Amino acid sequence: DVKVTQSSRYLVKRTGEKVFLECVQDMDHENMFWYRQDPGLGLRLIYFSYDVKMKEKGDIPEGYSVSREKKERFSLILESASTNQTSMYLCASLLVGWDRYTFGSGTRLTVV
Amino acid sequence: GQQLNQSPQSMFIQEGEDVSMNCTSSSIFNTWLWYKQDPGEGPVLLIALYKAGELTSNGRLTAQFGITRKDSFLNISASIPSDVGIYFCAGQSYLQKLVFGQGTRLTINP
Repeated sequence: DVKVTQSSRYLVKRTGEKVFLECVQDMDHENMFWYRQDPGLGLRLIYFSYDVKMKEKGDIPEGYSVSREKKERFSLILESASTNQTSMYLCASLLVGWDRYTFGSGTRLTVV
Repeated sequence: GQQLNQSPQSMFIQEGEDVSMNCTSSSIFNTWLWYKQDPGEGPVLLIALYKAGELTSNGRLTAQFGITRKDSFLNISASIPSDVGIYFCAGQSYLQKLVFGQGTRLTINP
């Protein structure tokens, strides 16, 4: 089975800090995604990547950036964390031509 | 971006009852998917639907891809305690991006 690992389950950061959320998948998937999950809003796409060094904005990219230097790793970066970025962040990967997204367990980020 | 409207947002039922939830969209999707998220975990795929009108079952779960390709429903029969969680519908379009509904939080009273 594909495994998607997010480096932290819980993070607490201060306003203005630079925050890195890491995601690693072990099955050579081309596509990787970052979502944030908020009550009543479901999962909203922040950024996705379909290849190394390639990235595309999702629906809510403001305040975020991403990095994909290696195929297995997709990082989400909050350049200057703000309290409205307190949320659950979910990473997912997908093999091209398939519909079976595999999600990580999520990182619950609190910005104080 | 595209949006899905999922309802209800929450359900409180007795064990053994049947459950029904649905999603509607203003856009056409090529694939409809239903996911379940257990507490503290990421969503896991339950059912995938590929053709308008398709009705698919997975144990006690049944889902249908609407004829207009703009809606889908999920039914759970004879609910049990492990059905507790958040259920998400998702539509898949170009570039294989998923668009998610807001989720239905299911709570079961034993």
